[in-house]
Amino acid sequence: EVQLVQSGAEVKKPGESLKISCKGSGYRFTSYWTGWVRQMPGKGLEWMGMIYPLDSDTRYSPSLQGQVTISADTSISTAYLQWSSLKASDTAMYYCVRLGGPRAGWFDPWGQGTLVTVSS
Amino acid sequence: DIQMTQSPSSLSASVGDRVTITCQASQDITNYLNWYQQKPGKVPKLLIYDASDLETGVPSRFSGSGSGTDFTLTISGLQPEDVATYYCQQYHTLFTFGPGTRVDVK
Repeated sequence: EVQLVQSGAEVKKPGESLKISCKGSGYRFTSYWTGWVRQMPGKGLEWMGMIYPLDSDTRYSPSLQGQVTISADTSISTAYLQWSSLKASDTAMYYCVRLGGPRAGWFDPWGQGTLVTVSS
Repeated sequence: DIQMTQSPSSLSASVGDRVTITCQASQDITNYLNWYQQKPGKVPKLLIYDASDLETGVPSRFSGSGSGTDFTLTISGLQPEDVATYYCQQYHTLFTFGPGTRVDVK
């Protein structure tokens, strides 16, 4: 079964750093783009960026470029989403997603989500 | 950037009704359009990819159509378990989601 399992919920203070993870299983991790989707409280879905683990090619949403860093560790089939200095506006549910394949721009499956709360 | 709009933003229909949700892209995206269902408190789920291809396991009452800039998601015979927010998503240029359509049952 193709599966993405994310790290647990986080509560952080503004200015702190954070790295959340997403472990893929049931498929060749290096052969599929892994992305991140943000859902702020009560709001819609927003694509943040993605990485191709085989060569670490990374793409970001223009609106989020520079605010987060996406990386991957192929030895443990895990992708990461990282912040160097959190803001209250980063409070959201974050989902990792796998792209369907080459030229297949749909997201399936989705991880279970990681809730990040940033509050002083 | 490609912008996506959806209408209506919300709707309420009776069990068995035919429900139609529209999605419009700000430019031609051919058929690079997908639909997702997100039930309250749950993870989004892929319903339809490439505008009209039904994902495996999705009930046949769901269908998609359209190309270019105008797309439609149809639920033929609304069921109580279809209460959810539905999102379209383009992948012609990077990825953009529509704002969502909330579907309730009367």
